[in-house]
Amino acid sequence: GAVVSQHPSWVICKSGTSVKIECRSLDFQATTMFWYRQFPKQSLMLMATSNEGSKATYEQGVEKDKFLINHASLTLSTLTVTSAHPEDSSFYICSASRDSNSPLHFGNGTRLTVT
Amino acid sequence: GEDVEQSLFLSVREGDSSVINCTYTDSSSTYLYWYKQEPGAGLQLLTYIFSNMDMKQDQRLTVLLNKKDKHLSLRIADTQTGDSAIYFCAESIRGGGADGLTFGKGTHLIIQP
Repeated sequence: GAVVSQHPSWVICKSGTSVKIECRSLDFQATTMFWYRQFPKQSLMLMATSNEGSKATYEQGVEKDKFLINHASLTLSTLTVTSAHPEDSSFYICSASRDSNSPLHFGNGTRLTVT
Repeated sequence: GEDVEQSLFLSVREGDSSVINCTYTDSSSTYLYWYKQEPGAGLQLLTYIFSNMDMKQDQRLTVLLNKKDKHLSLRIADTQTGDSAIYFCAESIRGGGADGLTFGKGTHLIIQP
């Protein structure tokens, strides 16, 4: 069964609003979670590394003020897309692993559409 | 060039074997993964292999690693219509919990009846 749960599965919002996406590890604690973005028919691009209890690490070119990440507990990380614009429409996927020697498991993704 | 490369499409007949190939450039890659993505869904971990292994088999799936050539392949025996999906090759230097993964662009597996 799924070990990483992501919510919501899809969301439609108006330009200028903010959207929060949740990522939960279901049966293990994850000090680190990862947020990816996938454009249609393209590969996954790592956006940021979410660290429990500390600031997230963002990849080059990803605006930290636009994509707010909070990793408040060992089983939950949230990604908030602030002041969303149509170009933020994409498929966002989170991932986590039990430990550094275990493979990454992915959530089912969130399809964001900004109108 | 790209860190991880894959062919974009592979077409096979139902019942035949599918072989999806992947090459990577980072000789420090220690963990190599295959993920499956069905339309509109997240990624499903199929299998992974450590760089000190040459082969790993799990039911219909066989992974072969040629570390010298930095070449990874995924063989799916007796391909079924349910295998139709995009398959991503990915690599990391450390375990998946320590850093993120670098993905290929994905190979779209098309099953012909």
